[in-house]
Amino acid sequence: DAGVTQSPTHLIKTRGQHVTLRCSPISGHKSVSWYQQVLGQGPQFIFQYYEKEERGRGNFPDRFSARQFPNYSSELNVNALLLGDSALYLCASSFQWGPGDEQYFGPGTRLTVT
Amino acid sequence: AQTVTQSQPEMSVQEAETVTLSCTYDTSESDYYLFWYKQPPSRQMILVIRQEAYKQQNATENRFSVNFQKAAKSFSLKISDSQLGDAAMYFCAYGAARQLTFGSGTQLTVLP
Repeated sequence: DAGVTQSPTHLIKTRGQHVTLRCSPISGHKSVSWYQQVLGQGPQFIFQYYEKEERGRGNFPDRFSARQFPNYSSELNVNALLLGDSALYLCASSFQWGPGDEQYFGPGTRLTVT
Repeated sequence: AQTVTQSQPEMSVQEAETVTLSCTYDTSESDYYLFWYKQPPSRQMILVIRQEAYKQQNATENRFSVNFQKAAKSFSLKISDSQLGDAAMYFCAYGAARQLTFGSGTQLTVLP
C-alpha cells in the first residue's frame, strides 16, 4: 500500500505570495493533520481534519487555512507569505482522530520563502 | 498548555551498545499518549514506540523500550544493540486532544 504522499517536494516562493500544499492520506484513513517543522526544531501542529471537518487548530495566524476533500485528501494554504514561513510542512494521516491513533507521516514539502 | 522537553540536543553511541534518550513533559491531563518518532535524513517521520498513560507496563518494540515514570512526567527511550541504521533525529511527542506536541529532538549518532 502507498504511504502518505505530499506534493510538491520542494518549492520556492517570494514574500507576499500564496502557496498551496497537497496531501494524500493512506487509503482508508479519514484523518489528516498538518505540521510545520522549522529547521532544527520539532514539528508544530497546525490543523487536524476528520471527515472533512476541522477538528483541531494550532496557534497559527489566519493566513494559514486548510480543507479536506471527499476523497480525504487535503490542502494547506498559506497567504501573504513571510520569511518565517520557510519550513518543512508535514502531513500525517490516521484511521480515526483519537489522541492515541498512530499517525503516519508523509515525506514533507520543503517551502523556502525569499 | 502541554510542553515536551528533550534536554539532550545530541547523543552518540557505539555500534552494538545501549543508549538512553531523555524526555520530560508537562500536562494536567490524566488520559494521554506518549510517542517516540524517528526522523532520518530522508525526512520521513517514523513511529518507533507508543505508550498509553493509563498503562503502568513499559512499552517494548524489539530493541526499543521506554521507561515511563508518570508521576515524574518522564518518558525515556532505550535503544539496545544500537545499529548504524538507528542514526537519526529522535522526537518525543505527547498526544492528547487530537494533536501531537513534539519536543525539540535529539540527534543520535551511531559510531562504527
